[in-house]
Amino acid sequence: EVQLLESGGGLVQPGGSLRLSCAASGFTFSSYTMNWVRQAPGKGLEWVSAICGSSDSTYYAESVKGRFTISRDNSKNALYLQMNSLRAEDTAVYYCAKSTGGSCYSGIGYWGQGILVTVSS
Amino acid sequence: DIVMTQSPDSLAVSLGERATINCRSSQSVLYSSNNKNYLGWYQQKPGQPPKLLINWASTRESGVPDRFSGSGSGTDFTLTISSLQAEDVAVYYCQQYYSMPCTFGQGTKLEIK
Repeated sequence: EVQLLESGGGLVQPGGSLRLSCAASGFTFSSYTMNWVRQAPGKGLEWVSAICGSSDSTYYAESVKGRFTISRDNSKNALYLQMNSLRAEDTAVYYCAKSTGGSCYSGIGYWGQGILVTVSS
Repeated sequence: DIVMTQSPDSLAVSLGERATINCRSSQSVLYSSNNKNYLGWYQQKPGQPPKLLINWASTRESGVPDRFSGSGSGTDFTLTISSLQAEDVAVYYCQQYYSMPCTFGQGTKLEIK
């Protein structure tokens, strides 16, 4: 059974940093593209970043480019999102999400339960 | 970036009736070399993460009831629920994964009339 468990969220001041982690199990982690998707309170889904299983290429939404860094450790079955220069508009539930394949260009088949990041002074 | 626009923003349908949600992309998401539309449909119930219902515009995921179907090609797509059940109350999103950044529609809230 696929399981994705996010950790590392919480309250941070504007301009601060936070590192999200996602522990994955139940599948061959290195073979799949992994994503971070966020959802601001009461709002819709916003794709944030992906790291492709087939190539380890990384992609970012324009809203986080230059501030967030996605990475993975295949030996630990772990996905990370380093978030720097955080802004109030980054406040959201962040989902770790597994794509349906190793290609960068595939749908998102499994989602974690999400973790809340609050950016506020 | 490809912009995804859903219509309507909200929808109220009677139990047992058909529900139709539309999604339009600002450019084609049909990849000609494999004739696949890079479009997915997701269901999100309150307090839960999203769930993939339909992949490649029309392929129902395992375990998804057959009352859910996806259709369309190129830039215009439709999610149809043939006979609405109470458990289908949710927000539905389309997403394109044809090009990065992949993008979601704004969501359609489906309620019971």
